[in-house]
Amino acid sequence: DIQMTQSPSPLSASVGDRVTITCRTSQSISNYLNWYQQRPGKAPKLLIYLASNLQSGVPSRFSGSGSGTDFILTISNVQPEDFATYHCQQSYSTPPWTFGPGTKVEIK
Amino acid sequence: EVQLVESGGGMVQPGGSLTLSCVASGLTFKTYSMNWVRQAPGKGLECLSYISGNSNTIYYADSVKGRFTMSRDNAKNSLYLHMNSLTAEDTAVYYCAVVPAAIKRWLDPWGPGTLVTVSS
Repeated sequence: DIQMTQSPSPLSASVGDRVTITCRTSQSISNYLNWYQQRPGKAPKLLIYLASNLQSGVPSRFSGSGSGTDFILTISNVQPEDFATYHCQQSYSTPPWTFGPGTKVEIK
Repeated sequence: EVQLVESGGGMVQPGGSLTLSCVASGLTFKTYSMNWVRQAPGKGLECLSYISGNSNTIYYADSVKGRFTMSRDNAKNSLYLHMNSLTAEDTAVYYCAVVPAAIKRWLDPWGPGTLVTVSS
């Protein structure tokens, strides 16, 4: 099974900050890495697919990079609505796919 | 617009059974693979099961294999998760989610979820 870690957690930030969240996998997954945002009490929402592709309708301040085992989600100019939990998910293996433990972005 | 709505959650005693449903609209349901994902209180997300559009391929996570059964009725645009031998560790919000295409290996969109509580 592919194991996944995320760091840091939690992450404290102020409005306007640039934040980066790292996701690491226990084996290479090429670019089969997706990022989701989850606000409290809500379902997850797809932000980034295949490591670096911005989902339609997602603000351009979100970006993703990486391949192999190391991936990064960057939020430039954090906005109040961005304070949420971010989950990475690998889709390289046979389903069901696995998620990282999540990173909560909190207001500093 | 694609919409998913889960139902069937509630409180059940340990050892009991429950069946969840997910009704989809705004898409040609039979052409999409589907997933069930759960989230225990204060915890991360866990993919439980995957079913192809024609039900020929079904996968389960080890944590639910042999206890949970995923199925679908394409005529009713509906997805199901039948859960047996429930324990407190199955307490979670359960979501259904769409796999947009065979080469689009991600989950989008998701339903709002239904809460299952296993307690005596």
